[in-house]
Amino acid sequence: GIQVEQSPPDLILQEGANSTLRCNFSDSVNNLQWFHQNPWGQLINLFYIPSGTKQNGRLSATTVATERYSLLYISSSQTTDSGVYFCAVKGKGGSQGNLIFGKGTKLSVKP
Amino acid sequence: DAGITQSPRHKVTETGTPVTLRCHQTENHRYMYWYRQDPGHGLRLIHYSYGVKDTDKGEVSDGYSVSRSKTEDFLLTLESATSSQTSVYFCAISEYSGTGNGYTFGSGTRLTVV
Repeated sequence: GIQVEQSPPDLILQEGANSTLRCNFSDSVNNLQWFHQNPWGQLINLFYIPSGTKQNGRLSATTVATERYSLLYISSSQTTDSGVYFCAVKGKGGSQGNLIFGKGTKLSVKP
Repeated sequence: DAGITQSPRHKVTETGTPVTLRCHQTENHRYMYWYRQDPGHGLRLIHYSYGVKDTDKGEVSDGYSVSRSKTEDFLLTLESATSSQTSVYFCAISEYSGTGNGYTFGSGTRLTVV
């Protein structure tokens, strides 16, 4: 099945810094999403982005489907950005229901 | 998240007992999913539903069954709980299966099997 790799696994930032999180996937996808899991465990959908670029406030994401990667940019990071960021994909030939998750990038933003 | 609720939020049960977790949505979305989250494994799909009484297995379905008798409710049952089923369980909903939209997750159920 499709493989999803996220990097880096851990990231520590000072408040105000910028960061880039990467998601590589092994096959063509028709669905790619970025999620943020906050320290209380809640999973929040950030972007649905199987291709192209989207922006939402300080966050933006770009997926280059032909090269099989996606990037999540966080600018001017805040302590509330801390948590785990997951990339999840569904392959074009994959099972109808199966959104495959990467292992995540754990982000810690220090005040 | 607004529109999707899971119950209970926490449960401790004994090995060998049956357990049912409930997911309720008010969004009228067609697709509903059950995931489990474990350290080192991330989130893995247990079962999903693509309509009332229409369900299918995910990658870690052994030991679990599901039912969906109404659009708004998706139940996950552990027929005979084992310690390996100690996990955090998340329900998710989506309007479409593949292209078109993202998933919305519930707040999770922390299940401990002792």
